[in-house]
Amino acid sequence: NAGVMQNPRHLVRRRGQEARLRCSPMKGHSHVYWYRQLPEEGLKFMVYLQKENIIDESGMPKERFSAEFPKEGPSILRIQQVVRGDSAAYFCASSPPGTVEAFFGQGTRLTVV
Amino acid sequence: GEDVEQSLFLSVREGDSSVINCTYTDSSSTYLYWYKQEPGAGLQLLTYIFSNMDMKQDQRLTVLLNKKDKHLSLRIADTQTGDSAIYFCAESIGSDYKLSFGAGTTVTVRA
Repeated sequence: NAGVMQNPRHLVRRRGQEARLRCSPMKGHSHVYWYRQLPEEGLKFMVYLQKENIIDESGMPKERFSAEFPKEGPSILRIQQVVRGDSAAYFCASSPPGTVEAFFGQGTRLTVV
Repeated sequence: GEDVEQSLFLSVREGDSSVINCTYTDSSSTYLYWYKQEPGAGLQLLTYIFSNMDMKQDQRLTVLLNKKDKHLSLRIADTQTGDSAIYFCAESIGSDYKLSFGAGTTVTVRA
């Protein structure tokens, strides 16, 4: 059973471009979470999704950020018109229903130049 | 403060015990966690403790929880080179699924 897979591992974008980060949860996991880690800070919760539903997006910035977890395919975190302050490591986690144990991917390091 | 706090670095000799400390923020946190991140890898859940417990032991790992002081610690007995990693403390905030992490403690094990 492969772990949580995130790609790309590293992503460089120029200011104003769009960034798309992908996350494939572990097999059998229907819950996906996105976290962001700014330099020298802890991971901060962004959004919690189940298949085709956003359950809690209280940690998402109000503008430019969106997330989806379609019926088929990976979860996508999309950042439009990136700015330097979006440079961070973005981690995805997944869990099966009814458990507090979330499994994390290796993260995507986004650098905005 | 609003952040989970932990010291950034810890150096320990192989075979000694390591103790990583953390202070958290939310007295109503249901669960408190320790995650480990090895170079190039994702965060691996090491252990977690329910808030009504004071201690949890799992092989070489011992978690101590002081709810009054909002202090959590992780003790690793007989530290090995494979224990070199970044250790993150996390608390559940408001909901069991929503975690707030510290910045991580980098543990270096020296021979």
